[in-house]
Amino acid sequence: AQSVTQPDIHITVSEGASLELRCNYSYGATPYLFWYVQSPGQGLQLLLKYFSGDTLVQGIKGFEAEFKRSQSSFNLRKPSVHWSDAAEYFCAVGSPSGGYNKLIFGAGTRLAVHP
Amino acid sequence: DTAVSQTPKYLVTQMGNDKSIKCEQNLGHDTMYWYKQDSKKFLKIMFSYNNKELIINETVPNRFSPKSPDKAHLNLHINSLELGDSAVYFCASSQDLPEQFFGPGTRLTVL
Repeated sequence: AQSVTQPDIHITVSEGASLELRCNYSYGATPYLFWYVQSPGQGLQLLLKYFSGDTLVQGIKGFEAEFKRSQSSFNLRKPSVHWSDAAEYFCAVGSPSGGYNKLIFGAGTRLAVHP
Repeated sequence: DTAVSQTPKYLVTQMGNDKSIKCEQNLGHDTMYWYKQDSKKFLKIMFSYNNKELIINETVPNRFSPKSPDKAHLNLHINSLELGDSAVYFCASSQDLPEQFFGPGTRLTVL
């Protein structure tokens, strides 16, 4: 069965520092991969997605992610974190059951940003 | 214009009651979803409809019944509410690719 693991439940960084959030997936074929962000009390906003092609994908708000098939990973990065980036971040994979429309989410990583 | 909207935003009710949550999308998408986010922020799909047809039905108690009157609307009706139903319920929609657009969520509290 497909699964998504986000090993870090909670990460704290200083404003201006670089950030990397980890995501590992278990999947038999090339997956569809996503990162979503959820600010407190808000819905989920898509940061970026990978379907095929270039393994380094750029997203909104200065985020990027790299798909590494050999490591079954899709880590999210940002070179310089802003205080407004404090939120919950979810990695997700599109499952073929349900025509890839079924998203399986990781447990999330809560990001705190120190001034 | 709001792409995916849900009503109500908050819902507080007693155990045993029946309640509905409504979702509408103005993106012209064919597929809509309901997700449940529990108190630990874990998100799990419940249902998916494509053009008014049920295509995903996860292991959800039959007290939960989705209804799609047209492809722009997907409502969730919950009978005999239980304490464990307290959660945030998200509606989402998508078109041909599995990129989903989420609504703001409905926080359901069962007392």
